[in-house]
Amino acid sequence: DSGVTQTPKHLITATGQRVTLRCSPRSGDLSVYWYQQSLDQGLQFLIQYYNGEERAKGNILERFSAQQFPDLHSELNLSSLELGDSALYFCASSTGDGTYEQYFGPGTRLTVT
Amino acid sequence: GENVEQHPSTLSVQEGDSAVIKCTYSDSASNYFPWYKQELGKRPQLIIDIRSNVGEKKDQRIAVTLNKTAKHFSLHITETQPEDSAVYFCAASPRKLTFGTGTRLQVTL
Repeated sequence: DSGVTQTPKHLITATGQRVTLRCSPRSGDLSVYWYQQSLDQGLQFLIQYYNGEERAKGNILERFSAQQFPDLHSELNLSSLELGDSALYFCASSTGDGTYEQYFGPGTRLTVT
Repeated sequence: GENVEQHPSTLSVQEGDSAVIKCTYSDSASNYFPWYKQELGKRPQLIIDIRSNVGEKKDQRIAVTLNKTAKHFSLHITETQPEDSAVYFCAASPRKLTFGTGTRLQVTL
């Protein structure tokens, strides 16, 4: 157990809908990262927050947005869902902002039908 | 941005043999190189990492080597066991992690 929690574990929704994925970092960690992993694919970095501020952006679609709240938990919002958005979404956390060890949560499996 | 290539994509070894996975990176500013193990349907787990001021690091049966000049780094697993079967990802970071495409390691009895 890495100490990073994510909810829900599974999510099934229809095209065009909007969902919110939630992540709580390890105690003491200030950075949260979001990754997308499609079937049999690698990990694609989406976005990073550090202490409430956006720090880095990867290949995140405009339909996706994220935020980190004062209690340091983070939410990833996915809207106008398409079939291709079906994937495992992981968050990871680290102590600082930069090249620190990242510890991953268990992931949320999103299925868009 | 950073580009990480990983080889091989699949690797099958017999129990007790060694396994080597290789990665190359493009950004000379990268200074942190972690390796993650991911079992089917599970989270990626950090198994070992190395920073650019070190050439080699060992942790029991696992070792990582880094050649900054050639911009490549490798994961070595000795005395492989069936529980080592998983997908292994390398990553490189000048700032944010860029992952390789993964190596599916199968350890057969």
